[in-house]
Amino acid sequence: AQKVTQAQTEISVVEKEDVTLDCVYETRDTTYYLFWYKQPPSGELVFLIRRNSFDEQNEISGRYSWNFQKSTSSFNFTITASQVVDSAVYFCALSRNYGQNFVFGPGTRLSVLP
Amino acid sequence: NAGVTQTPKFQVLKTGQSMTLQCAQDMNHNSMYWYRQDPGMGLRLIYYSASEGTTDKGEVPNGYNVSRLNKREFSLRLESAAPSQTSVYFCASSASLGQGDMNTEAFFGQGTRLTVV
Repeated sequence: AQKVTQAQTEISVVEKEDVTLDCVYETRDTTYYLFWYKQPPSGELVFLIRRNSFDEQNEISGRYSWNFQKSTSSFNFTITASQVVDSAVYFCALSRNYGQNFVFGPGTRLSVLP
Repeated sequence: NAGVTQTPKFQVLKTGQSMTLQCAQDMNHNSMYWYRQDPGMGLRLIYYSASEGTTDKGEVPNGYNVSRLNKREFSLRLESAAPSQTSVYFCASSASLGQGDMNTEAFFGQGTRLTVV
């Protein structure tokens, strides 16, 4: 069975602080995909990044970076120099094989205070 | 380029009433999904359809039925609504193996906020 755990329910930081959102996953598949989504207060789900199980390279996109470690089954997300607009609920997700059967974690609510 | 379109956006039902949530995607995706989102529980899969003509139960299927009408459309029906079905419902779609699309993420609709009183 597949499972995604996001142990941090809520995080509050002050603007410009760095913050890391943790994601730990469980799967027996050798091929799988990991994702992060952002859900701002408006409610839509915004795709941020995908990573397949064969690509452990870390990725940086502007203020966002992702650290994928198969050895610890983790796919953590760091926001550098956080901004108020980063306030949202962030979901980590896992899918089997090729984009099927997405399983989501419970989400982490990030509040960035001015 | 609409992506995934859900209707309605808001709905209030009385206990025991029925309704159908509609979902359509224009990305030629094989796979479609219905999720519900409840506070603190993330998104839980209700039903999914890996391809036209097939549907499978997800984590929380009780009280729901689905129809994959064609490749574009995947509807969710509540036959007899209960207060426990008060939630935000999301439809999503994704490409699948063989479609030649390397973008494996799920694309989501805007959501339907359903209240059952």
